[in-house]
Amino acid sequence: DGGITQSPKYLFRKEGQNVTLSCEQNLNHDAMYWYRQDPGQGLRLIYYSQIVNDFQKGDIAEGYSVSREKKESFPLTVTSAQKNPTAFYLCASSITRDRAYEQYFGPGTRLTVT
Amino acid sequence: GNSVTQMEGPVTLSEEAFLTINCTYTATGYPSLFWYVQYPGEGLQLLLKATKADDKGSNKGFEATYRKETTSFHLEKGSVQVSDSAVYFCALNSGGSNYKLTFGKGTLLTVNP
Repeated sequence: DGGITQSPKYLFRKEGQNVTLSCEQNLNHDAMYWYRQDPGQGLRLIYYSQIVNDFQKGDIAEGYSVSREKKESFPLTVTSAQKNPTAFYLCASSITRDRAYEQYFGPGTRLTVT
Repeated sequence: GNSVTQMEGPVTLSEEAFLTINCTYTATGYPSLFWYVQYPGEGLQLLLKATKADDKGSNKGFEATYRKETTSFHLEKGSVQVSDSAVYFCALNSGGSNYKLTFGKGTLLTVNP
């Protein structure tokens, strides 16, 4: 079955450590996205990538970094510079650069930093 | 810039009640509109969409009509079930340079038996 996988589902880290969240899709989608979800705030865009080897900052990119070396993979690193990293992180992809096409979401990774 | 405003939750209904979740938007151009649903601990799933004015999206008994004159995309269902309990997000995509989705803050729906 085609879809988006995110791993792990739950992740625990100590403050000051960098952590990388995995996102893989086998939908052959060009575009991929990372969102952060906090209670009562909806989803906020962190980074997005329309093609391999290219990515753009979203609305809340500070303290995060990404890479897009392969079409199917878009890992997100939460660095120690992110002041409030505990959140639910969602990866998404879409078929093409067209406003009519929906984004498909992975199951998410819940990151807890203590 | 683009924005989406949803009715504040939480919304609590009894099984078989009628559901309306209001959604209005501000956007440049001609956006596509979406409703997503999120069950506890999971990612978002597309519920329905509409890509032009007067289009009606429908799925699993849910409906929403793209109203350009009122910039609205209200979600409705005639008879809710306990299994409809979830968070519902309204979103838009106006294209432009990045084709990103702009989301509302979500509305938590709880349906009691």
